[in-house]
Amino acid sequence: AQSVAQPEDQVNVAEGNPLTVKCTYSVSGNPYLFWYVQYPNRGLQFLLKYITGDNLVKGSYGFEAEFNKSQTSFHLKKPSALVSDSALYFCAVRTYYNQGGKLIFGQGTELSVKP
Amino acid sequence: ETGVTQSPTHLIKTRGQQVTLRCSSQSGHNTVSWYQQALGQGPQFIFQYYREEENGRGNFPPRFSGLQFPNYSSELNVNALELDDSALYLCASSLRLAGGQETQYFGPGTRLLVL
Repeated sequence: AQSVAQPEDQVNVAEGNPLTVKCTYSVSGNPYLFWYVQYPNRGLQFLLKYITGDNLVKGSYGFEAEFNKSQTSFHLKKPSALVSDSALYFCAVRTYYNQGGKLIFGQGTELSVKP
Repeated sequence: ETGVTQSPTHLIKTRGQQVTLRCSSQSGHNTVSWYQQALGQGPQFIFQYYREEENGRGNFPPRFSGLQFPNYSSELNVNALELDDSALYLCASSLRLAGGQETQYFGPGTRLLVL
């Protein structure tokens, strides 16, 4: 069965410092991996995805993610955090169409960036 | 903004009632997925519709049903509401692509409270 794990419920970072939000996955076959961000009382906003190709994926708002097949990880990173990055972050893996094409989400990581 | 809209934004129902939630997909998208997000959890897949037919279903009982219309708008219907149905309901639209490279774009959600 496919699954996603986000080992940290909360990540605290000082503004200007680099941030990392961790994600590991378990899939059979090639993974389709996504990161979404959710602000309070809002839907999910797409940040970036990995389908194939370069292991370093660049996305919106200066975020990037590194796909590591040997460690089955897809960590979200940003070189310099902003207070406005404070939000709930979800990693997700998408199943193939014959399995419904659904997104399977991790439990989320609350990112708090302090001034 | 994703171009995906949902209505209503908030809803209060009592146990045993029925509810219909609506979603308008992003222009040109042919696939809609519905997710339930309980408080403090990641979204859980309910079902997906592709070209007006159910394409996949998560672990939800038959009292959760859906429709996708020719204009690719969609409804989620829940009968015999239970207290545990209280959650944020998210719809996501996407354009199915060969190779599975599509991205699901989420609406702002409908927050349902069942008393």
